Parts: sequence; C-alpha cells; structure tokens
Amino acid sequence: SQKIEQNSEALNIQEGKTATLTCNYTNYSPAYLQWYRQDPGRGPVFLLLIRENEKEKRKERLKVTFDTTLKQSLFHITASQPADSATYLCAPALGSNYQLIWGAGTKLIIKP
Amino acid sequence: GAGVSQSPRYKVAKRGQDVALRCDPISGHVSLFWYQQALGQGPEFLTYFQNEAQLDKSGLPSDRFFAERPEGSVSTLKIQRTQQEDSAVYLCASSPSQGSGNQPQHFGDGTRLSIL
Repeated sequence: SQKIEQNSEALNIQEGKTATLTCNYTNYSPAYLQWYRQDPGRGPVFLLLIRENEKEKRKERLKVTFDTTLKQSLFHITASQPADSATYLCAPALGSNYQLIWGAGTKLIIKP
Repeated sequence: GAGVSQSPRYKVAKRGQDVALRCDPISGHVSLFWYQQALGQGPEFLTYFQNEAQLDKSGLPSDRFFAERPEGSVSTLKIQRTQQEDSAVYLCASSPSQGSGNQPQHFGDGTRLSIL
C-alpha cells in the first residue's frame, strides 16, 4: 500500500541555521507533492507545491526538492526563526484527480 | 469571510448521539474536502465535493458518516450513532477549481469532536 514517511521525532534547530525535513514515499509515483505547516489547534496552511517534472521550487526562505528516483522530497527553511516552529506535513498525490495522501508530519523546534 | 470557517470548534457528545459539523468554504470555491485527523497524525481523507456533487466518498469509515453540500457552498458532515473511535479533529478544506492533488487547499481550524 502507499506509504508516506516523515521523521517522527522532533527536529531541534538553532536559530539562523537551515532546517531540512524529509518526506519519503513508497509503492507509488506521485505527480504532485505539497507541503503544509500546522500550528497546534489550527488547520494546515499551504506552503509549496512541486510537480514531478520540477526538481526544485523556492519561495522566500523555503525550498522544496523532489527526487522521483529516490522517492523523496526535502523541505528546507533557511535562516530559521523561532516563529518557524510548527509541524510540517508533506502530502503527495498521484495526479490532479487523486486525493492527497498525508504524512504524519515532523515537529520542528527552532531555538533562539 | 476571508477563510474557511468551521463550527462548532468543539463538540462533546455521548456515545450513540448524532452530531452535525458545519463547513463554510471560501466563497466561490468549487472543491471542498473533509478530513479526519487523530492526535499526532496527518489528516485522513474522508470525502470530496465538486460544487454540489460528491465525487469521492471512499474515505468515509462507515455508513454512519454522511456528508452533503446541497447548494455547492456550505457543507455538513453528519455522524450518526457516534462511537468513541469517532473522537478526532474534523477538518474542512476548499480549493478554487476542480481537482485535488494539483492545487493548494485552504483549511479551516477544524472541529474537535469528543465522544464520551
């Protein structure tokens, strides 16, 4: 069955450093992959969408890569700030008419 | 309003009662999704509407779960004869156009359902 794996342990990063989160998927080949941020008690907030033919996508301090050979997406936050502390969810989809399949998320803690 | 609104924010019900959860999507959004999220887990897909048509209900866990969007805007998720395993956060999301995987989804803050 399709499986999404994200680091289950919290990731502690010093302020100002680059945080890198990993999303691995098995048993399928998604055409799209989305990343969301979720704060406690709130709904997920969309960050970036990357397509299978895109290797990399950037938005301000955020960068996402999509390696279809390794079946992996990496999510980077450069110059991290305490306000970046949240849970980050990855959600691939087989295609435009397929539902997102969500990982359990990685909790990121940026320490001042 | 500017975003997706869900009500109530919190709902406590006794086992066996029926509950109804409401979602007001962003005005004009074609697609509407319902998800169930357990503590420490990612959202699990329940059902998808394109306007008033329920195109995918493959994620509904049992026939006790029912969703509708009669006029293509507000949606209601109803759970009949609630059970303790129904306790979770129920999230609603909407998107401007048709399709699921290829466009961002805008989420409400969810309804936290507790079944006693």
